[in-house]
Amino acid sequence: GAVVSQHPSRVICKSGTSVKIECRSLDFQATTMFWYRQFPKKSLMLMATSNEGSKATYEQGVEKDKFLINHASLTLSTLTVTSAHPEDSSFYICSARDAGTGYDSPLHFGNGTRLTVT
Amino acid sequence: AQSVTQLGSHVSVSEGALVLLRCNYSSSVPPYLFWYVQYPNQGLQLLLKYTTGATLVKGINGFEAEFKKSETSFHLTKPSAHMSDAAEYFCAVRVSNNDMRFGAGTRLTVKP
Repeated sequence: GAVVSQHPSRVICKSGTSVKIECRSLDFQATTMFWYRQFPKKSLMLMATSNEGSKATYEQGVEKDKFLINHASLTLSTLTVTSAHPEDSSFYICSARDAGTGYDSPLHFGNGTRLTVT
Repeated sequence: AQSVTQLGSHVSVSEGALVLLRCNYSSSVPPYLFWYVQYPNQGLQLLLKYTTGATLVKGINGFEAEFKKSETSFHLTKPSAHMSDAAEYFCAVRVSNNDMRFGAGTRLTVKP
């Protein structure tokens, strides 16, 4: 089955530093990847849609200058949390859809990244 | 606009009992519906999906769901709960080619 690899699984950083999270589709190509944020005991909140070779589309209320997304290839998207603050601590999950599949195909999810900002 | 409502943020059943997790949707177009499971500190894993055709859909781990258009529901069931089924379950509806809306999730607890 389709596999999405997300790295790192956990990261602790100091306030003011930047953190990069990688999302790779291992056995399929993904022209579009999605970045979600999940608060404790809450559902997934779509942050942005990452499009290969073009700018990401951000959801309302998500700061694009704070959450930098780069989708440089058909198998890799990165999310960089810049100048992180404790309130950015959360569980971040990426997902991707196989570019070769249809509208009814499911999203494939990475295992998430637990970010803790101290 | 498409949306998903999961009734009950927490469901507790005994091992061996029936599992029923409720999901209702709203959609202006024929929906594509999904159930995902999330174990602690992990991403989401697809359990099953409905697109077209048979309204009773079977998924992994013994789960199944039935699409009922008249009730706008897509409830998830399993005849006999196992301890390993304890997790968070999310119902989702495909909004467009590039978007999916998730319900708030239901935490399933299985008591021995």
